[in-house]
Amino acid sequence: DAKTTQPNSMESNEEEPVHLPCNHSTISGTDYIHWYRQLPSQGPEYVIHGLTSNVNNRMASLAIAEDRKSSTLILHRATLRDAAVYYCILNNNDMRFGAGTRLTVKP
Amino acid sequence: EPEVTQTPSHQVTQMGQEVILRCVPISNHLYFYWYRQILGQKVEFLVSFYNNEISEKSEIFDDQFSVERPDGSNFTLKIRSTKLEDSAMYFCASSTSGRRTDTQYFGPGTRLTVL
Repeated sequence: DAKTTQPNSMESNEEEPVHLPCNHSTISGTDYIHWYRQLPSQGPEYVIHGLTSNVNNRMASLAIAEDRKSSTLILHRATLRDAAVYYCILNNNDMRFGAGTRLTVKP
Repeated sequence: EPEVTQTPSHQVTQMGQEVILRCVPISNHLYFYWYRQILGQKVEFLVSFYNNEISEKSEIFDDQFSVERPDGSNFTLKIRSTKLEDSAMYFCASSTSGRRTDTQYFGPGTRLTVL
């Protein structure tokens, strides 16, 4: 199974952009890149996904490298509510969560 | 907005007892999943279920575990004889299909405490 690598933790200031990186050098051609997040004491929550092109939605943007070996989740203006663990997952029928990146947002 | 619900929110049981964790997936979803998260650890896949059959299961999902869709709305996870190490948050999820693009919608979880 293709694996992802993310930093254990990152910090951001409120209302500043945050770029959360993910490496997936063994990604296959049909793997979609999914991002989920887990707010404290809650279940995981979908954020965004993509295959090759950059994607935008109301929550975030996903920038995918041309070779697809890495991607970056972009929160354009971090809020205190965005403090969570962010997971980068290469989707198959059963999602394998890694340790994710714990994002701390400072006021 | 439709959501996945789970009951109970917290279950306390004695070691060796059977527990059933309940989930109501989103109504038009066809694929159902159970995950668990031991305190401080990562979310682990247990099992996926489609068309009244297990689609995939992880090495964690041994003979102590079973899943069932007893009626048109509920999806249950049964642990036959609980062990201390079964203490964890259990999350149910559902999706419209099993395609790679599909979003999984997670419930709020059931905290299982085995004493």
